[in-house]
This record gives sequence, C-alpha cells and structure tokens, in this order.
Amino acid sequence: AQSVTQPDIHITVSEGASLELRCNYSYGATPYLFWYVQSPGQGLQLLLKYFSGDTLVQGIKGFEAEFKRSQSSFNLRKPSVHWSDAAEYFCAVGAKNNDMRFGAGTRLTVKP
Amino acid sequence: GAVVSQHPSRVICKSGTSVKIECRSLDFQATTMFWYRQFPKQSLMLMATSNEGSKATYEQGVEKDKFLINHASLTLSTLTVTSAHPEDSSFYICSAVSSRGNYGYTFGSGTRLTVV
Repeated sequence: AQSVTQPDIHITVSEGASLELRCNYSYGATPYLFWYVQSPGQGLQLLLKYFSGDTLVQGIKGFEAEFKRSQSSFNLRKPSVHWSDAAEYFCAVGAKNNDMRFGAGTRLTVKP
Repeated sequence: GAVVSQHPSRVICKSGTSVKIECRSLDFQATTMFWYRQFPKQSLMLMATSNEGSKATYEQGVEKDKFLINHASLTLSTLTVTSAHPEDSSFYICSAVSSRGNYGYTFGSGTRLTVV
C-alpha cells in the first residue's frame, strides 16, 4: 500500500533563506507524486507534480522538487522564502485515476 | 485550468440534522471524485471514492449510512452528512479526476462543518 512520510512537523526559516521540505514515500510501482500547499481554513493548491521524465520538477511560486527513486524521496525546495509562503505543505502519492495518500503535513513558519 | 467548486464553504448545523455538500467540476468531466476529511492540524484522510453512475467505495471505518455520497453526473458529486453529531465537525474536501486523464487531481476549496 502506498504511504507518505513527512518527517518534519514544523519548520521555521527566516525570510530570504532557502527551504527544503522532506518527503519519503512507499509505493509498489512508479508513483505519481504531488506537493500541495494549504493556508489556514482553505483548500489545497497544487504546487507541482511528478509523473515521469525529468526528475527535477518546477512548480508555481518558485518551488521545485526532485524525485529520487533510490531514496524514495520527493523533497520540495525553494531558494528564497517569502513571508507569504507560511502555510501547511502536504506531500502526496497517487496513481492513475486512484485516490491520493497524504503525508501528515509540514507547517512552515517564516521569520521576518 | 481545471476548477472544482465546493459549496458551501462553511456550514453550522444542529445535532441530528443533515447537511449536503456539493462538489462540482466546472470545466471538465470527472468520472471519479474523492472525498477527504481533515481534522484540525491533521492531514487529509480519504473517506470514499465516488464514481459516476455507481455506488461509492468507502474506506474502512467510514460509515456509509452516515456519509451518503451521490455522483449522479459527470460534473457533480454530493456528500450528505446524516444525523450530524458534534464529532462530525471537520473540514471536508473533495477532489476530481478528469475523464481525459489529466492527473491534476484538482481539489475543491473545502467545507468547514460545525455541528452544535
């Protein structure tokens, strides 16, 4: 069965600093991997997704993620964090036309 | 791009009453929709999978008689919380998969249900 682990519950970074959010997955086949962001009381916004091809995926808002099959990881990165990036981030794994399994989420706090 | 509209965004109801939440795909046809539940400060948990024209598939531990799902058309799925109780208070989110296979898994904006 597929599962997702986000090891960091809460991360605090200074504005302008770089960011990396970790995600590890367990899946029997080639996974479809996603990163979503959620602001308080809001729905989910897709940041980026990986299905196949280039393992470095570019997303919206300056985010990118790298799929590393050998490490079963799909870490999210941003070179310079903005105060507006403070939110909850969810990594998810899914399959074609199937449901998604979400990680527990990582809450990002941005210090001025 | 694909848009999923979820309504209402917030609802407060009394214990024992029923609440219907709608999930619509606005610019694409969705053969499959998923319903998730999110408790405060927790992740999303899949409740059920809704396929157009057939019965929903519920995850283990989810009461199908309490959470009624209807997917009557390719653009609309509804979740009805029947005889709501305070413990049903939660954030409910739907997502839709395009019948064209565009695996964007578009999510609705969610519904905050409070049962008093």
